[in-house]
Amino acid sequence: QITLKESGPTLVKPTQTLTLTCSFSGFSLTTSGVGVGWVRQPPGKAPEFVGYIYWDDDKRYSSSLKSRLTITKDTSKNQVVLIMTNMDPVDTATYYCVHASRSSAWNMDVWGQGTTVTVSS
Amino acid sequence: EIVLTQSPATLSLSPGERATLSCRASQSVSNYLAWYQQKPGQAPRLLIYDASNRATGIPARFSGSGSGTDFTLTISSLEPEDFAVYYCQQRSDWLFTFGPGTKVDIK
Repeated sequence: QITLKESGPTLVKPTQTLTLTCSFSGFSLTTSGVGVGWVRQPPGKAPEFVGYIYWDDDKRYSSSLKSRLTITKDTSKNQVVLIMTNMDPVDTATYYCVHASRSSAWNMDVWGQGTTVTVSS
Repeated sequence: EIVLTQSPATLSLSPGERATLSCRASQSVSNYLAWYQQKPGQAPRLLIYDASNRATGIPARFSGSGSGTDFTLTISSLEPEDFAVYYCQQRSDWLFTFGPGTKVDIK
């Protein structure tokens, strides 16, 4: 059974850097055809793709967020880390960690419970 | 960037009725279109991928169709647990965008 869980701060100040960790189980990010990503959802709005990291260390970032994002993986710990710089109140959202695989055509087939991040001074 | 529009914004139906949800892309996405269901306080759940393939564990009453720019999610007979918000999502050039959602509520 695949599970993912997000952890990190619930409140960050404007201009600060956000670091979120996704801890997962039930699969390995060294297995070909597997990816882990981040999706965020502002209150009352649709989800928004943030980025993916794949088993081969390839990465894909949202075009609008690319300059502020870094996603890394630690396969020994089964963790993926999201770093987002220069946070702004518009970045307030629930951040979800997601699993993707070739078998589901790289769509987000398992989701974490999400973690709410508020950006406010 | 490819933009997705969904219609209607809200669909009011009764249990047992058929639901037909529409998603339109601003340019062709081939069949790289997925559908998600989201209930209040929960994460979205993948229902359909590649326009017409049901994800693991998804009941047969959910079906998807379409290609290019026009897609449809059909729920053949609404169950009480199907009242939720539904999002379409496309994948192009290994990037993803979501539509604004259709809320299916109880009439």
